[in-house]
Amino acid sequence: KAGVTQTPRYLIKTRGQQVTLSCSPISGHRSVSWYQQTPGQGLQFLFEYFSETQRNKGNFPGRFSGRQFSNSRSEMNVSTLELGDSALYLCASSFDTSGNTIYFGEGSWLTVV
Amino acid sequence: AQSVTQLDSHVSVSEGTPVLLRCNYSSSYSPSLFWYVQHPNKGLQLLLKYTSAATLVKGINGFEAEFKKSETSFHLTKPSAHMSDAAEYFCVVSRPTGGFKTIFGAGTRLFVKA
Repeated sequence: KAGVTQTPRYLIKTRGQQVTLSCSPISGHRSVSWYQQTPGQGLQFLFEYFSETQRNKGNFPGRFSGRQFSNSRSEMNVSTLELGDSALYLCASSFDTSGNTIYFGEGSWLTVV
Repeated sequence: AQSVTQLDSHVSVSEGTPVLLRCNYSSSYSPSLFWYVQHPNKGLQLLLKYTSAATLVKGINGFEAEFKKSETSFHLTKPSAHMSDAAEYFCVVSRPTGGFKTIFGAGTRLFVKA
């Protein structure tokens, strides 16, 4: 069974640009959540989607957005990139939203220059 | 409200000696508790999970954790450290809240000396 797949794994963007990251959950999983990890702030929850609906949202500015498709695949978008957006972005999936185990992808490393 | 506190930001042990990574939690409900490990430049890998069955949970790579409700603790242990255990470890608490709420601890960096 394939795990959570994130693309791209590494990318470099310039300040002011926008970026889209993609996540394919484990087959059969309908909940997808996104996290930002930085050395200074640790792991921070961005948002969670279930059946194409955003269920929870972390404390991030509106430049951070996401969506989930009918096949449970998810994308997150960051517009008007800032240097501080440089981070590892982790996607995780779970079967549903009732406290089941979440499984993480390898992450997408974003560097903003 | 839920919270999780990892009591040590860094732990250093010698290879072959026991490992203890401490985690305290707070939850108004019966929580699900997890330990994850993150090796450098990698995603998080599930080590073990507690969901109100046995209080002593065995995980992968020889790790285990004991749920102690009276102490609100979920400490991670391993009898004998290996060099490959050097990584960051996260204690996680979650419960359903009409959605899915997951709280991560700040992480404990484990160093293993030869």
